[in-house]
Amino acid sequence: AQSVTQLDSHVSVSEGTPVLLRCNYSSSYSPSLFWYVQHPNKGLQLLLKYTSAATLVKGINGFEAEFKKSETSFHLTKPSAHMSDAAEYFCVVSVRGYGGATNKLIFGTGTLLAVQP
Amino acid sequence: ETGVTQSPTHLIKTRGQQVTLRCSSQSGHNTVSWYQQALGQGPQFIFQYYREEENGRGNFPPRFSGLQFPNYSSELNVNALELDDSALYLCASSLLGQGQETQYFGPGTRLLVL
Repeated sequence: AQSVTQLDSHVSVSEGTPVLLRCNYSSSYSPSLFWYVQHPNKGLQLLLKYTSAATLVKGINGFEAEFKKSETSFHLTKPSAHMSDAAEYFCVVSVRGYGGATNKLIFGTGTLLAVQP
Repeated sequence: ETGVTQSPTHLIKTRGQQVTLRCSSQSGHNTVSWYQQALGQGPQFIFQYYREEENGRGNFPPRFSGLQFPNYSSELNVNALELDDSALYLCASSLLGQGQETQYFGPGTRLLVL
């Protein structure tokens, strides 16, 4: 079965320092993986996606993630945190249903990123 | 902005009542998925609609039902509301059948059941 595990429920960084949000996945086939961000009282915004092309994926707002099959990881990074990055981040795997006709998203439990001034 | 809209934004109901939530998909998309996000948790898949038919369902009871219309908009109906149904309900639209799996989310409807 496909699943994702976010290794940290809370991460706190100082403004201007690097961000690392960790995610491990489990999948019986080549997965499609995503990172979504949710600001307080808002819906989900797509940050980036991996769909078996380049293993280093660049997203919006300076975020990127690297797909590492050997480590079954898909960690999210950003070189320099900004106050506006404070939000909850979800690592997500797309699961195909029977015959590939359905795709549903399986979410991790989320990582709450705090950015200190 | 994803182009996915949901209404209403907030709703308060009492236990046992019924509720209908609405979602308009992004232009060009043919699939709508619904998710429930309880407070402090990640979203959970309820079901997906494609070509006006249910196309997959998560672990939710039959009192959660839906519709998709010819213009690809969708409704989520919940009967016999329970306190635990209080949550943010998110819909997401996508283009199924074209090798694109990305789901784009609306802002959500926050439901409070008293």
